[in-house]
Amino acid sequence: QKEVEQDPGPLSVPEGAIVSLNCTYSNSAFQYFMWYRQYSRKGPELLMYTYSSGNKEDGRFTAQVDKSSKYISLFIRDSQPSDSATYLCAIDLAGNQFYFGTGTSLTVIP
Amino acid sequence: GAVVSQHPSRVICKSGTSVKIECRSLDFQATTMFWYRQFPKQSLMLMATSNEGSKATYEQGVEKDKFLINHASLTLSTLTVTSAHPEDSSFYICSARLSYNSPLHFGNGTRLTVT
Repeated sequence: QKEVEQDPGPLSVPEGAIVSLNCTYSNSAFQYFMWYRQYSRKGPELLMYTYSSGNKEDGRFTAQVDKSSKYISLFIRDSQPSDSATYLCAIDLAGNQFYFGTGTSLTVIP
Repeated sequence: GAVVSQHPSRVICKSGTSVKIECRSLDFQATTMFWYRQFPKQSLMLMATSNEGSKATYEQGVEKDKFLINHASLTLSTLTVTSAHPEDSSFYICSARLSYNSPLHFGNGTRLTVT
C-alpha cells in the first residue's frame, strides 16, 4: 500500500465551479499536510500547509484534514482557467520524510 | 518569502559531458535541501537529501557517483550530473525548508536534455 493515494484524474470543470481534490494516507503518524500546484514545466508551488484536523482557508482555497479518516482535501471555489494545473498533495512524517501523491490534473474550461 | 531559485531552467548537453545545476534559497537559510527528479506525468521522485556541510544522503537506486551533490553553504546546493547519458534526460527540481516543521519550497526546475 502506498503511503499516499491520490486520484490522478484528469478532472475537467467549467469556470466558476467548486473543485474538490482528495488524498488518503495510510500512516496515522503523519503530522503535516500540504497542497502544491504545479504548472507544466515548472516547480510545485505551495498553496496550503496545515498540521491539524479541520479546515484552513486562504482566499479561494480551503484545505481540510480529517486525521480520523486519514483523508485530506483541497477545495477551490470559483475556479478560474488559471487554476488549470496539476495539484499534488504532500505529507510530512517529520524528520525530513515527505510523501507525495501522484498529482491530479485539473482543467478549468472558460 | 521562502523563495528558492534554480538555474539553469533548461540545459542541453552532449552525452559524456557533465552538467551542474544550482539551487539557492534567496531569503532564508536552508540547512536541508532536497533534490527530486520528475518524469512526464509522474510525481516527484526523491533523489537525495542534502545537508549543509555534510555528505548528501542518497535514495536507494540513485548513483551517488553520477549525481554529485554539494551543499557548501546554508543558501546553496548544487547537483552535478556527471558523464551524462540520454537516459539522464529529465526534469530535476530542488527544494528547501526553513526549519524542521515547515513545508518544502521548490525551485522552478531544470529540464535536462542529453543528446
